[in-house]
Amino acid sequence: DAGITQSPRYKITETGRQVTLMCHQTWSHSYMFWYRQDLGHGLRLIYYSAAADITDKGEVPDGYVVSRSKTENFPLTLESATRSQTSVYFCASSEGRATQYFGPGTRLLVL
Amino acid sequence: GIQVEQSPPDLILQEGANSTLRCNFSDSVNNLQWFHQNPWGQLINLFYIPSGTKQNGRLSATTVATERYSLLYISSSQTTDSGVYFCAVSGGANSKLTFGKGITLSVRP
Repeated sequence: DAGITQSPRYKITETGRQVTLMCHQTWSHSYMFWYRQDLGHGLRLIYYSAAADITDKGEVPDGYVVSRSKTENFPLTLESATRSQTSVYFCASSEGRATQYFGPGTRLLVL
Repeated sequence: GIQVEQSPPDLILQEGANSTLRCNFSDSVNNLQWFHQNPWGQLINLFYIPSGTKQNGRLSATTVATERYSLLYISSSQTTDSGVYFCAVSGGANSKLTFGKGITLSVRP
């Protein structure tokens, strides 16, 4: 399917477990982003990547790890999930400083 | 970093009415985008508009970069326009966007 996809769409996990959220885009966009959306905070950038093997921190990177070995994939890993990481996670992509396209989101609940 | 303020925070309209949503930002920008988040949570890009005016159907947007604000106009609103409207900006060399808190629009039939 063309576009940007995220998996899983819903995830329930327990405190301390490792969780990986997947993001895949078919446009070969150079930039990819991970955001979290929480009530009262809007959308906040966690990490972004300007190209394969180039990643950088956003506003709220603590507790998260990213990698980008291929242009089309940008996984986000919570190494040891905490309740404060319960959120909706959005992946996005863009070609340079242009329109950002968002995936459908992943709802994560950490018990 | 750049601060983004959107107003009003909430807006209730009757179907068919027009509305203006405002986005103020605290510093020079080279990237400004408007997004609509529908009631199912999907984020859709409406405009990429770092300066100037654009129109797409019933929606139009204007950014006055020198005065640090952008306006989103919705004409003849429909119930499907309901949701949250976000303004997001960037002023740096990269593509990192800073989002405003959003404007919640409810259009009543």
